[in-house]
Amino acid sequence: EAGVTQFPSHSVIEKGQTVTLRCDPISGHDNLYWYRRVMGKEIKFLLHFVKESKQDESGMPNNRFLAERTGGTYSTLKVQPAELEDSGVYFCASSKGQTYGYTFGSGTRLTVV
Amino acid sequence: GNSVTQMEGPVTLSEEAFLTINCTYTATGYPSLFWYVQYPGEGLQLLLKATKADDKGSNKGFEATYRKETTSFHLEKGSVQVSDSAVYFCALTPGGGSYIPTFGRGTSLIVHP
Repeated sequence: EAGVTQFPSHSVIEKGQTVTLRCDPISGHDNLYWYRRVMGKEIKFLLHFVKESKQDESGMPNNRFLAERTGGTYSTLKVQPAELEDSGVYFCASSKGQTYGYTFGSGTRLTVV
Repeated sequence: GNSVTQMEGPVTLSEEAFLTINCTYTATGYPSLFWYVQYPGEGLQLLLKATKADDKGSNKGFEATYRKETTSFHLEKGSVQVSDSAVYFCALTPGGGSYIPTFGRGTSLIVHP
């Protein structure tokens, strides 16, 4: 089966611009998660979708971040306007159920300059 | 709250050397413990896990034992290979209905021929 796909793999944008990251989960996986790793620090949970609904968005840092999951398929994470501290690697993961193992994508490296 | 502490990296070893990467955790209740690995250019992959005290997780020559008395889950391998060069993340899920992992900062391993 195809894995979790994220794109772009890298993005360099200027402070104040908007960036949209996309995640395509494994087909049939209802659960989709977004995480972020700022350089050298922990991988931090951002939010969790079950199908198209946000189950838990307690990790979203502020209202500049907007996540959507149209029709319960792919998900997008938009950062608007981007700030320097948003730089990091954004990971997406999916799972069939909450007690099943996660499959992670290879991440999007975002650099805000 | 829950937290995971890993040893600082990078860890640099020669091929066939013994590897230990320390991991300690703080959690209430009975967490499950995990090691994930990220090879260059790839997503995180589950390496091994242990779900209760004294369990030993093992995979690809790596081992880790869930030590509740010392709240530790150290990763070990008897003889590392160049192909083991990667970033290793220790993680826990707290249980009690919560399956969102808490990750450590990651430890980079570099193995020289």
